[in-house]
Amino acid sequence: GQQLNQSPQSMFIQEGEDVSMNCTSSSIFNTWLWYKQDPGEGPVLLIALYKAGELTSNGRLTAQFGITRKDSFLNISASIPSDVGIYFCAGQLGAGNQFYFGTGTSLTVIP
Amino acid sequence: NAGVTQTPKFRILKIGQSMTLQCTQDMNHNYMYWYRQDPGMGLKLIYYSVGAGITDKGEVPNGYNVSRSTTEDFPLRLELAAPSQTSVYFCASSYPGGRSYGYTFGSGTRLTVV
Repeated sequence: GQQLNQSPQSMFIQEGEDVSMNCTSSSIFNTWLWYKQDPGEGPVLLIALYKAGELTSNGRLTAQFGITRKDSFLNISASIPSDVGIYFCAGQLGAGNQFYFGTGTSLTVIP
Repeated sequence: NAGVTQTPKFRILKIGQSMTLQCTQDMNHNYMYWYRQDPGMGLKLIYYSVGAGITDKGEVPNGYNVSRSTTEDFPLRLELAAPSQTSVYFCASSYPGGRSYGYTFGSGTRLTVV
């Protein structure tokens, strides 16, 4: 299967700080998705990206589809306690709707 | 709408036992998936289905079976449970095509094999 590497693996930040995380692959993807998973729940879609260079926001979250199409980035501004969770990237190689998931970035926000 | 519903939420199995993880969706999605999530790992695709009567293997299908007799239901069967199958299992569904084809996930089934 495809290997998607997310970094950092975990983050501990103070409330109000900005957060940056990324996802890289050795393969070229045509779609990138970012999900958030709360404890004990399934992942929930945050942002979807469909073309290289695309920059999309969802409230305090901003994600970018890398120019090389082998990476994607997620930024969270002014973090709050409810941002706690695991953030997953997912990439799709092509038509067929099968996505490969990264290993996740665990975010802890300290009040 | 309920979205994707998984049952049970938790289960403990003894080695060699069998069980079926249930998944149903009410969004009329064609595509359905089963993933497993191990600690510190990403989601690994077990099986998927593009419609009723059609199933296909994902990355890690060994030890599992699926069926898709209706659009709504996609049960996952473990025939001879092994400790390596201890994991959290997620069912997901999606509607193919267009720009809204992210997955909708269920809340998961936490399975422990002892």
